[in-house]
Amino acid sequence: DAKTTQPPSMDCAEGRAANLPCNHSTISGNEYVYWYRQIHSQGPQYIIHGLKNNETNEMASLIITEDRKSSTLILPHATLRDTAVYYCIVFNRDDKIIFGKGTRLHILP
Amino acid sequence: DARVTQTPRHKVTEMGQEVTMRCQPILGHNTVFWYRQTMMQGLELLAYFRNRAPLDDSGMPKDRFSAEMPDATLATLKIQPSEPRDSAVYFCASLFAGEDVLTFGAGSRLTVL
Repeated sequence: DAKTTQPPSMDCAEGRAANLPCNHSTISGNEYVYWYRQIHSQGPQYIIHGLKNNETNEMASLIITEDRKSSTLILPHATLRDTAVYYCIVFNRDDKIIFGKGTRLHILP
Repeated sequence: DARVTQTPRHKVTEMGQEVTMRCQPILGHNTVFWYRQTMMQGLELLAYFRNRAPLDDSGMPKDRFSAEMPDATLATLKIQPSEPRDSAVYFCASLFAGEDVLTFGAGSRLTVL
């Protein structure tokens, strides 16, 4: 079973920041938080990951709470091309990787 | 860009036929995953390998599905005999254990009539 809980869908206005939440209350100390997105039927694409600290790259920012039981993916300026299903997953890098149902993000023009 | 290559991209077959899907992981990656995606079930893990050895295939219907890695550059997923309920998109993904990023292929869309 997936170790994460995400809202099934969210809307965000184009140009605004999209904040996607994820709960992972049973995360273990050696498990990372990863975010992927899937556009249409393409293969999921990596966005960002972190262990304890907040992370930022050219695509997004990842905010992990101090107790590591939840995180938020932030797309700073959402565009129509960010419409996708976003998956939050946690795993030990030596273990199997299980995806949940993700959040379907709709960007509204 | 290093990529995971899957063939065929699309396959239409009739019930009862054998189907083989192939995956070429990224060179140097030692862990390969097979996923199946349907609208109802989402992304399901079927099996995964490390250093060509199967580690977990508990998600795979054993009676008709089989997965192998004949060598480090090829992973195969075979369905025999195929059934309409096997219609789905099958994804292969690879990584080097202990490193960052799981990379997916473009998928093989299977339709069983």
